[in-house]
Amino acid sequence: EAQVTQNPRYLITVTGKKLTVTCSQNMNHEYMSWYRQDPGLGLRQIYYSMNVEVTDKGDVPEGYKVSRKEKRNFPLILESPSPNQTSLYFCASSFFGQGANSPLHFGNGTRLTVT
Amino acid sequence: QQQVKQSPQSLIVQKGGISIINCAYENTAFDYFPWYQQFPGKGPALLIAIRPDVSEKKEGRFTISFNKSAKQFSLHIMDSQPGDSATYFCAASIANSGYALNFGKGTSLLVTP
Repeated sequence: EAQVTQNPRYLITVTGKKLTVTCSQNMNHEYMSWYRQDPGLGLRQIYYSMNVEVTDKGDVPEGYKVSRKEKRNFPLILESPSPNQTSLYFCASSFFGQGANSPLHFGNGTRLTVT
Repeated sequence: QQQVKQSPQSLIVQKGGISIINCAYENTAFDYFPWYQQFPGKGPALLIAIRPDVSEKKEGRFTISFNKSAKQFSLHIMDSQPGDSATYFCAASIANSGYALNFGKGTSLLVTP
């Protein structure tokens, strides 16, 4: 089954404790991206990757890191989480960008709480 | 700066009614306008999309209307059903450019029985 898999689904952590949210896709997509979803703010892009070893900042990159060492994986790293990073996070992928023949496929989300 | 403005933020419609969600954009370079549907506990999923060379696209009960001169587009859900209750996001981008989708803030739709 074609899918984007995120882990964990739920995560509660404390301020300053480094964490990684994993994302893997099995569709051979070149493009991958991370979003955060907050009430009233919609979906905001954190980082994206056009291909292996190519990453770039989205709209809200502060406090996050990513890496793209393999085509299928795109982990999101919070080196020193803070309470304002409490949010619902989504990983997404597509063949290339978000064109008419390349819809974004989203994972089922990771709900992160930072206390 | 929000490049795509979506309204209303929430919407309650009776079963069988028409749900209408509106979006407006500023960047005239945008040429791809998708709508995503998100159910609780799930990620958004592409529902329907339109290119600006047509003014309307229909897929089943879902229709996108596009007004290029006004820089507006809307989603109409005909004969709304309780199973349509979800959050809907409009978006805009430059197709196949690799640039990010610019999402609206979302509309929470509740269809009552």
